[in-house]
Amino acid sequence: KAGVTQTPRYLIKTRGQQVTLSCSPISGHRSVSWYQQTPGQGLQFLFEYFSETQRNKGNFPGRFSGRQFSNSRSEMNVSTLELGDSALYLCASSPRLTTSGANVLTFGAGSRLTVL
Amino acid sequence: TQLLEQSPQFLSIQEGENLTVYCNSSSVFSSLQWYRQEPGEGPVLLVTVVTGGEVKKLKRLTFQFGDARKDSSLHITAAQPGDTGLYLCAGARGNEKLTFGTGTRLTIIP
Repeated sequence: KAGVTQTPRYLIKTRGQQVTLSCSPISGHRSVSWYQQTPGQGLQFLFEYFSETQRNKGNFPGRFSGRQFSNSRSEMNVSTLELGDSALYLCASSPRLTTSGANVLTFGAGSRLTVL
Repeated sequence: TQLLEQSPQFLSIQEGENLTVYCNSSSVFSSLQWYRQEPGEGPVLLVTVVTGGEVKKLKRLTFQFGDARKDSSLHITAAQPGDTGLYLCAGARGNEKLTFGTGTRLTIIP
């Protein structure tokens, strides 16, 4: 079966712009989590969506937002980009809410964002 | 504050050697996972351990969960270039979201 698909794989933006990233989970998976990965901070949790509702949120500013559609596909948006937003953004899907005790994540290959 | 500290941060060894990487915390976890991430890819789950003292083997990889469920180790026997990657541990505490460790970047030199 198809894995987790993230688009675009690479993108370059300038400060002040905004960006939207997309994630298609494994068929049947209802949870999508987003992570930011940087060399200095490692893998940092952004938020999790389940059944079109944000269920968990990490410690990121309001410039970072997301949504989930009825087919479980998810998008995340970053507004007013800053240089420090340059990172690999990973999404991961799971059959169930990850805080249900069944924490099995399947990751996509990520979207590498460079902010100039 | 990082809940899960991994050591060493970087490790570069010759093909055929053995190695151990560690994942330590002051917190108790209900389960702990290990992932490997190769360049240009997302992390891939290798194993989940749930019982204190549990040992799981995956070919040349041996994973152990500490008796107190606060730490874990990954031992690789006769390392191969294909073992190169970023190794991440991730812990779950009850109904909290998964917390990832700081990572160990492993390079196996042919």
